[in-house]
Amino acid sequence: GENVEQHPSTLSVQEGDSAVIKCTYSDSASNYFPWYKQELGKGPQLIIDIRSNVGEKKDQRIAVTLNKTAKHFSLHITETQPEDSAVYFCATGESGGGNKLTFGTGTQLKVEL
Amino acid sequence: DTAVSQTPKYLVTQMGNDKSIKCEQNLGHDTMYWYKQDSKKFLKIMFSYNNKELIINETVPNRFSPKSPDKAHLNLHINSLELGDSAVYFCASSLTSNQPQHFGDGTRLSIL
Repeated sequence: GENVEQHPSTLSVQEGDSAVIKCTYSDSASNYFPWYKQELGKGPQLIIDIRSNVGEKKDQRIAVTLNKTAKHFSLHITETQPEDSAVYFCATGESGGGNKLTFGTGTQLKVEL
Repeated sequence: DTAVSQTPKYLVTQMGNDKSIKCEQNLGHDTMYWYKQDSKKFLKIMFSYNNKELIINETVPNRFSPKSPDKAHLNLHINSLELGDSAVYFCASSLTSNQPQHFGDGTRLSIL
């Protein structure tokens, strides 16, 4: 089955700096790569996703890059703000697989003033 | 105007009891899911239903039985609760089985 590794497990940055979280996966059939943000006491919230026919996608301060050959994808947050502090999860999915998502182990991001 | 709502938010009960968690979505989505998040925050899918039909059933003890009375609801019934069932259970939905998933705020289940 699919195995998703996520690094780092914790990340502390100064407000205004950039943050990068990386994930690697094992199943070459995976073709859908979402990122979720989970705040304390809340459910995961989809912040950006990318499909395998695209190498990069950007939405304001958030971007995701995908390298299918190397089986890794990354989340980039620029100009970080205190409200970006949360746990971030990467995940992989496969079309035709019933939309089963396999999640990474999460990254606790702390943005310090 | 909550999109995916779960009840109850907290559930504290004794080992051996039977309990249910309810989930409703008002997004008009066809597909619904149950996930379990353990104490280390690891998220793992348990079940998925598409138009009331089971499409994903991961290796979950048969003490767990999902029920979908209609495509807007997916309830989770758990029999003979065990200590290891303590976790946060999340319901999610997606427009179809190939679309992004949207999560509820979870039900924290604590077994005494």
